[in-house]
Amino acid sequence: GEDVEQSLFLSVREGDSSVINCTYTDSSSTYLYWYKQEPGAGLQLLTYIFSNMDMKQDQRLTVLLNKKDKHLSLRIADTQTGDSAIYFCAESRTNAGKSTFGDGTTLTVKP
Amino acid sequence: GAVVSQHPSRVICKSGTSVKIECRSLDFQATTMFWYRQFPKQSLMLMATSNEGSKATYEQGVEKDKFLINHASLTLSTLTVTSAHPEDSSFYICSARDSGGRTEAFFGQGTRLTVV
Repeated sequence: GEDVEQSLFLSVREGDSSVINCTYTDSSSTYLYWYKQEPGAGLQLLTYIFSNMDMKQDQRLTVLLNKKDKHLSLRIADTQTGDSAIYFCAESRTNAGKSTFGDGTTLTVKP
Repeated sequence: GAVVSQHPSRVICKSGTSVKIECRSLDFQATTMFWYRQFPKQSLMLMATSNEGSKATYEQGVEKDKFLINHASLTLSTLTVTSAHPEDSSFYICSARDSGGRTEAFFGQGTRLTVV
């Protein structure tokens, strides 16, 4: 079945850039998502990218997709303490189908 | 924006009782909703896909008689945990896809269920 993997922890200093990586196995993945989850809360969609795109930028967020290697990354520029959270990458085959989530990367931003 | 409201946000129930969790899309219609379960410090595990007007599709290993799903309207899906046990304690999250065709799914804020 589909599998999505992420590194579990990342620690950066305030003002630095953060890069969270994700790999997936399903070559049929069409939609790739990044979600943010703060403690005790639901998931907030940050951004998504279609599999026919290489890059998407949205303010401080940059998503890079290497479809050949099935590698997805999320770069957060000028990371702030409010960015501390768990970040999940997820994939789905269609825009109406279920998503498979990675285990989440806990981002800690130190002042 | 697109808002999904989940209720209640927290519930404590006694072992053996049933608990109903609601998932509502407030400003869009959702033919399909998804129910996930999240254990502490773990990822989301899809439990079932809820389809408006038809039976839910359960993932392998999820007991459909224990986790009853009803999707009676285009804006409401409910998950009922029947005869709850302490091992059912978890964080349950729903998501809804806009029938109007937007790509992303929108998540509720989650329900923390504690069975004592």
